[in-house]
Amino acid sequence: GAGVSQSPSNKVTEKGKDVELRCDPISGHTALYWYRQSLGQGLEFLIYFQGNSAPDKSGLPSDRFSAERTGGSVSTLTIQRTQQEDSAVYLCASSPEPRATGELFFGEGSRLTVL
Amino acid sequence: TQLLEQSPQFLSIQEGENLTVYCNSSSVFSSLQWYRQEPGEGPVLLVTVVTGGEVKKLKRLTFQFGDARKDSSLHITAAQPGDTGLYLCAGANAGGTSYGKLTFGQGTILTVHP
Repeated sequence: GAGVSQSPSNKVTEKGKDVELRCDPISGHTALYWYRQSLGQGLEFLIYFQGNSAPDKSGLPSDRFSAERTGGSVSTLTIQRTQQEDSAVYLCASSPEPRATGELFFGEGSRLTVL
Repeated sequence: TQLLEQSPQFLSIQEGENLTVYCNSSSVFSSLQWYRQEPGEGPVLLVTVVTGGEVKKLKRLTFQFGDARKDSSLHITAAQPGDTGLYLCAGANAGGTSYGKLTFGQGTILTVHP
């Protein structure tokens, strides 16, 4: 596609339910990142994929959070037993290759609200 | 843990005024990026600075990277309502397994009134 695509754009769920958030990166981009953004705040790093492997999972807040990437393309972020503090916008970004000076191309995010 | 402190958090100004946003850290970064984000959208890259002391200009926006590569500033001249948005600085470190991973500041919400 032309840009990074994320779905759903909005998700409202009840505390304790599991949710899946999907990211479809720009075709050909090998690096994929998940970030979390609280209201009006900066971005908090969650996990980084190079191809299908995740060399850096250091930002995942707890073992309720997991992510996978298949075929070097689509990634899914799963949050189990959601809590109210999980409410945030989850942003996915991709880049052609992992470079320190490389631009990250962000999707529009998935806004998660946990009631 | 590397941290980036951005200031001010909020800035409300009139059209035509000048402003500066600061991004400071006690850590050294190999590069620093500035992003702009509008409501309901993802951040979009404005500039990347790599060399200590580097100054880059993008129309009315001037970006500077500190000599020690620990701080950066964004200066906007003659702000316009279209400049309204959330401005984010982000630092990167080369090497290791986190190549390309960015540490973001908290952001500056800029509102320019007509």
